[in-house]
Amino acid sequence: DAKTTQPPSMDCAEGRAANLPCNHSTISGNEYVYWYRQIHSQGPQYIIHGLKNNETNEMASLIITEDRKSSTLILPHATLRDTAVYYCIVSQIYNFNKFYFGSGTKLNVKP
Amino acid sequence: GAVVSQHPSWVICKSGTSVKIECRSLDFQATTMFWYRQFPKQSLMLMATSNEGSKATYEQGVEKDKFLINHASLTLSTLTVTSAHPEDSSFYICSARVTSGGENIQYFGAGTRLSVL
Repeated sequence: DAKTTQPPSMDCAEGRAANLPCNHSTISGNEYVYWYRQIHSQGPQYIIHGLKNNETNEMASLIITEDRKSSTLILPHATLRDTAVYYCIVSQIYNFNKFYFGSGTKLNVKP
Repeated sequence: GAVVSQHPSWVICKSGTSVKIECRSLDFQATTMFWYRQFPKQSLMLMATSNEGSKATYEQGVEKDKFLINHASLTLSTLTVTSAHPEDSSFYICSARVTSGGENIQYFGAGTRLSVL
């Protein structure tokens, strides 16, 4: 079962930062936080992941709270192509890293 | 990122026939691959974990005799939907796990849309 809670939808203006929250209050010490997105009728695309430190790559930044009970994915300058369903997943590295997807957040980037 | 290829992307079959879906890791070796299914307007549901050289492990409620998984090499896993029926119509997606520096990332294929008539 999914261990994360995300808002079902969010809107963002093109060019602005999109901040997508995720609650994972029952996360355990050996579980990573992963973010993926799925554009309609395609397979999910990897964005970023982290354990406890904040992470940044060419796509996004991941901010994990100190108690690790929540995180925020930041798309610094959202474009129309960033419209997708964003999934936050917690996964235990020692259990084959199985992914149990929650409902995700549908991000609508508007011009 | 790593590339995972899934074939076919779309298949239509008659009820009672079997359908095989292939999942290949193109530029890396994957000891572990995963199979998911997704119904319209729903999230992905993990069906099974496929390990090279051993039997797949299925999630609770997934019929192993219905969904046959073979992971014969480090770059190929196949899912066969046996005796398909209309209720098996769905979007099937595979992923392959990359392990690097003690961390794991799953890369997903583009999915296979199965329609059973």
